[in-house]
Amino acid sequence: QVQLQESGPGLVKPSETLSLTCNVSSGSVSSGSYYWSWIRQPAGKGLEFLGYIYYTGSTNYNPSLKSRVTISVDTSKNHFSLNLNSVTAADTAVYFCARLAPPYFFGPSGRTGSLDIWGQGTVVTVSS
Amino acid sequence: DIQMTQSPSSLSASVGDTVTITCRASQKISSYLNWYQHKPGKAPKLLISVASTLQTGVPSRFSGGGSGTDFTLTITNLQPEDFATYYCQQTWTFGQGTKVEIK
Repeated sequence: QVQLQESGPGLVKPSETLSLTCNVSSGSVSSGSYYWSWIRQPAGKGLEFLGYIYYTGSTNYNPSLKSRVTISVDTSKNHFSLNLNSVTAADTAVYFCARLAPPYFFGPSGRTGSLDIWGQGTVVTVSS
Repeated sequence: DIQMTQSPSSLSASVGDTVTITCRASQKISSYLNWYQHKPGKAPKLLISVASTLQTGVPSRFSGGGSGTDFTLTITNLQPEDFATYYCQQTWTFGQGTKVEIK
């Protein structure tokens, strides 16, 4: 069974860049059937889908955060990463990585699949 | 963007009860809607995909239905381990969540 594990700093200063990595084990990030995703949950709030990447490097981002989010993949290390720049206290959240699985539907808002495997999440606090 | 409106935001129920959570899309999304269960400190868990496809290992007391704009998640014979928050999801958007609490 594929497992995902997030890692990265738990504290980031305002205006700096939040950087997290998701390590994929017991499976390959290069599997052609899946996309690799980031989701977050601010304390006391709901889930927010940030974006996803294919192993080729093709990305798609939530339009609400598109200007600040970058997702990358390193197939040699079997992991993918999230960069969120110009962070503020509003970016304080639990960040999850997840696998986006088929079947896929291409609708008005883009691709819909299901997030079938998730990491445990990592808490990131934005504070000086 | 398609908006997802989930209701109720919370509910209280007893073990053995049947509960139904609804999710309404602002425009038609065919059957491409997923349901997740989330417990504090844990990873969310995919319960149902494509409106009604139960994931492997998920108990059959969970069921999903609907298409177009209106969808439901029903839990029959509620068990202690089912007390959690449930989310619907389509493309970028999650519903606001429904917290199922013990009465």
